[in-house]
Order: sequence, then structure tokens, then C-alpha cells
Amino acid sequence: QKEVEQNSGPLSVPEGAIASLNCTYSDRGSQSFFWYRQYSGKSPELIMSIYSNGDKEDGRFTAQLNKASQYVSLLIRDSQPSDSATYLCAVSMDSNYQLIWGAGTKLIIKP
Amino acid sequence: DAGVIQSPRHEVTEMGQEVTLRCKPISGHDYLFWYRQTMMRGLELLIYFNNNVPIDDSGMPEDRFSAKMPNASFSTLKIQPSEPRDSAVYFCASSKTGTGSEKLFFGSGTQLSVL
Repeated sequence: QKEVEQNSGPLSVPEGAIASLNCTYSDRGSQSFFWYRQYSGKSPELIMSIYSNGDKEDGRFTAQLNKASQYVSLLIRDSQPSDSATYLCAVSMDSNYQLIWGAGTKLIIKP
Repeated sequence: DAGVIQSPRHEVTEMGQEVTLRCKPISGHDYLFWYRQTMMRGLELLIYFNNNVPIDDSGMPEDRFSAKMPNASFSTLKIQPSEPRDSAVYFCASSKTGTGSEKLFFGSGTQLSVL
């Protein structure tokens, strides 16, 4: 069974520090990897996508993918209280649209 | 664009009643997805449509659940009869191409409580 694993947290990080969120997946054929952010009571919104090994940077966010080790991570630099949310990792194989979702990691940024 | 629109935002009903959730996808998006989210099970895909045709309904938990998409701008998810274990947030999402690399746009969700 295809699985995506995340530590549920909460992960508590002081304001201004780097928050590191991790996700592992079971299917070696996975091709597309996504990080969605979900504020409490709101819907998920895409913040990063990554498709090849290495790092992808977008502002304060960096996604890292290592297909050999089957993990994807999200780094948030200069963490702000507004980054406090649940971060969902999602993985898919392009040949089958169904996204496999992790349970999410709750991140708390402490002022 | 107004985004994906869901109604109602909140629904409280009694066990055994019929519940209908509604969704309007983003114009031009050919794929529509219904998800359910609970603390215990996270986000679960229930069913998705391509060009109004149901493609995969393997996530629909029971025959009590049904979904339709009569046209490109409207879809419903119906639960009949409803049970307390159906209490969850139901999200509708849409995307343009439906490939695994495509961004999903979520609606605001319907918080369903079955008493």
C-alpha cells in the first residue's frame, strides 16, 4: 500500500529560526511532490512543488527531494508566527492522478 | 476568478437525514475532486470527475454516498442516510489538467456534523 509518512508534531520553533519539516514515501515510482499549507479551519493551499532531486527555493521556502532515500523536506527560513499551520505532504505518480497525502505536521512558531 | 465555491459552509443534521453538499469548480478546470478530512484519517479522496464523468469512485465509503456532476460548473455529493461517523469537513477541489503534477485548488469546505 502506498504511504506518505509525516511526524504529526506539534513542531515548535522560535520566531526567526529555521523550521524543518520532513516527509517519507513508500512508492519508488513517485514523480511529483507537493507541500500544502493548511491554516486551522481553512482549506489546503499549495506552497511548493518539486519534481527532481535537489533543492528548490521560493522566497523563505526551500523544498528538498531525495528520491534514493525516498524523502522530501520543507525548510522555512526566518520563521514567522504567520507560518503556524499544518503542513501536508502529498505525492503522486503521473500515470495515476490520485495524490497520496500525509497526515500533516502541525507547526507552531513562538514569538 | 472566484475560486472553487462550496455550499453550505456548515451543515448540522440528525442521523438518518439526507445531506447534499454542493460545489462549483473554477471555470475551465476539467477535473473535480471530492475529499473528506477528519483528524483520525486525514485527507481522503472520495471521487473525482474528468469532464463531468466519474473516473474513480473507489474512495466512496459506502453506497450511502453518491456524487454527480450534471455539467461543467456544478457537482453534488449526497449522503443518504447520514450517520454520526460521516461528520467531517468535505472539500471540493478542481484542477485544469488532472495530471499528477497539477496544482489543486480547494474550496472552503463544508463542515458536516451529524448528530
